[in-house]
Amino acid sequence: GAVVSQHPSRVICKSGTSVKIECRSLDFQATTMFWYRQFPKQSLMLMATSNEGSKATYEQGVEKDKFLINHASLTLSTLTVTSAHPEDSSFYICSATPGSGDSGETQYFGPGTRLLVL
Amino acid sequence: AQSVAQPEDQVNVAEGNPLTVKCTYSVSGNPYLFWYVQYPNRGLQFLLKYITGDNLVKGSYGFEAEFNKSQTSFHLKKPSALVSDSALYFCAVRDKAGGFKTIFGAGTRLFVKA
Repeated sequence: GAVVSQHPSRVICKSGTSVKIECRSLDFQATTMFWYRQFPKQSLMLMATSNEGSKATYEQGVEKDKFLINHASLTLSTLTVTSAHPEDSSFYICSATPGSGDSGETQYFGPGTRLLVL
Repeated sequence: AQSVAQPEDQVNVAEGNPLTVKCTYSVSGNPYLFWYVQYPNRGLQFLLKYITGDNLVKGSYGFEAEFNKSQTSFHLKKPSALVSDSALYFCAVRDKAGGFKTIFGAGTRLFVKA
């Protein structure tokens, strides 16, 4: 089946530093990847949609200068949390969709990255 | 606008009994519907989806869901629950005409007692 990996699985950083999270589709090409944020005991909040070779589309209320997304290839998207603060601590999950263009395609999710900002 | 409602925060069921996790949705057009399961500190695992055709969809681990257009529901079911089914379940909807944007419900925690 389709596998999506994320790295790192867990990261602790100091306030003011930047953190990069990688999302890779291991056995398929993903023209579209998504970044979600999940707060404890809550649902997933879509942050942005990442398309290979173009700028990401951010959801309302998500700061594009704070959460930098780069979709450099058909198998890799990165999320960089710039100048992280404690309120950015969360569980970040990426997902990817195979590139058939059919909007009925299944999203496959990575295992998530737990970010703790001290 | 798209929305998904999972009316139960938690469902408790005894092992061996049938289970149902409820989901209702709202979209302006025709829906694609999905169920995912999440184990602690993990990403989401795909269980099943409804795209078109037969209203009864069978998925992974013995789960199935029935699409009911008139009631705008897509309840998840399993005939015989296992303790290992205990997890957080998310229903999600995507408007066929709306690209890949997917809206997730709040989630329902399933507890299966031995």
